[in-house]
Amino acid sequence: DAGVIQSPRHEVTEMGQEVTLRCKPISGHNSLFWYRQTMMRGLELLIYFNNNVPIDDSGMPEDRFSAKMPNASFSTLKIQPSEPRDSAVYFCASSSPLARGNQPQHFGDGTRLSIL
Amino acid sequence: GEDVEQSLFLSVREGDSSVINCTYTDSSSTYLYWYKQEPGAGLQLLTYIFSNMDMKQDQRLTVLLNKKDKHLSLRIADTQTGDSAIYFCAETLSGNTPLVFGKGTRLSVIA
Repeated sequence: DAGVIQSPRHEVTEMGQEVTLRCKPISGHNSLFWYRQTMMRGLELLIYFNNNVPIDDSGMPEDRFSAKMPNASFSTLKIQPSEPRDSAVYFCASSSPLARGNQPQHFGDGTRLSIL
Repeated sequence: GEDVEQSLFLSVREGDSSVINCTYTDSSSTYLYWYKQEPGAGLQLLTYIFSNMDMKQDQRLTVLLNKKDKHLSLRIADTQTGDSAIYFCAETLSGNTPLVFGKGTRLSVIA
């Protein structure tokens, strides 16, 4: 079975540019999570969706960050405009709730973002 | 708020057992997880335990949970050089709520 698929794997761009990260969750999972990993702060939740609906976006750093989930098989995380302090590894994870057999969160390989 | 604490480093000799410890503060945590991250790679789910369990064993991995002390441990038997990685402890309330992670324990295996 395919796991969580993220693209691109690496992104290097100049500050001020728009960055779009993509995620395809595991088929049948209806919860999707975006996390960010940095050396200073470790792994932090940015936002998560249940059944394509955003539930908690309190971890989104600023209005420059936005996330969408237009359907059950796709989500995007957008940064506009990007800044050097946004450089990090961004992970997407998906799971299904307890009622469906308690699938734990499975992670994609991450997008390594560098803003110059 | 919720917090998960881990020691940052652990060094063991190849063939010995490794024990990585974790403490958490949220008594309502229902699921506790161990993830492994190798350099430059993503997070690999190793194992998880429900809060109504005390122990779970999976091949070389043994997870022990002490709910009273809010203490979780991961024991790796016969540690190999391929086990060198960062190990993250995480807790959550249910299958569709976010994970709260510790800072990770860097395991170094000396040949």
